[in-house]
Amino acid sequence: NAGVTQTPKFQVLKTGQSMTLQCAQDMNHEYMSWYRQDPGMGLRLIHYSVGAGITDQGEVPNGYNVSRSTTEDFPLRLLSAAPSQTSVYFCASSRGQGAGTQYFGPGTRLTVL
Amino acid sequence: SQQGEEDPQALSIQEGENATMNCSYKTSINNLQWYRQNSGRGLVHLILIRSNEREKHSGRLRVTLDTSKKSSSLLITASRAADTASYFCATDPFSGGYNKLIFGAGTRLAVHP
Repeated sequence: NAGVTQTPKFQVLKTGQSMTLQCAQDMNHEYMSWYRQDPGMGLRLIHYSVGAGITDQGEVPNGYNVSRSTTEDFPLRLLSAAPSQTSVYFCASSRGQGAGTQYFGPGTRLTVL
Repeated sequence: SQQGEEDPQALSIQEGENATMNCSYKTSINNLQWYRQNSGRGLVHLILIRSNEREKHSGRLRVTLDTSKKSSSLLITASRAADTASYFCATDPFSGGYNKLIFGAGTRLAVHP
């Protein structure tokens, strides 16, 4: 199993551009989530999903959209990038619909100029 | 705001010594988890302790949970240079709905040979 994969690994955007961060898992996990990690602040939950077609907001959802059309994929869309969205983004998944043991992807380092 | 707060923010010890990290949280929880993050990598799950458990062991790791004080501790015994990493606690707050995992800001552990 590949586990949780994320693409791209690095991305540089200009203010106002849009892009999609990809996340996929091959463990048939129902629960998937997106976090951002900023220096000294740990991880903050952006959006999460408890199954295909079901998503909900986390702590810092503004400026981000998600959808979950399949069990495997959970893309994160930045609608109009801002410098405040410069961060490292992690996708994670876990079994069941609760926030149990999370399996993390390697992360995407995003810089917005 | 973040649910969990780790203490200390940074810890520097010699190989062979024990390392203790503490986590405090604010609301009732379903479970509390500890994760490790090596520099530039994704997080790796270490241990999960449920709200009705008081202590759990995994190899050189010992986790305690005191729900009356809303606190947990992670003890790493006989530390090694390879234990150098950031350690995060994460809580699954009891919210009555779908579950979210909320991370603290982490403890940076440096183990010197």
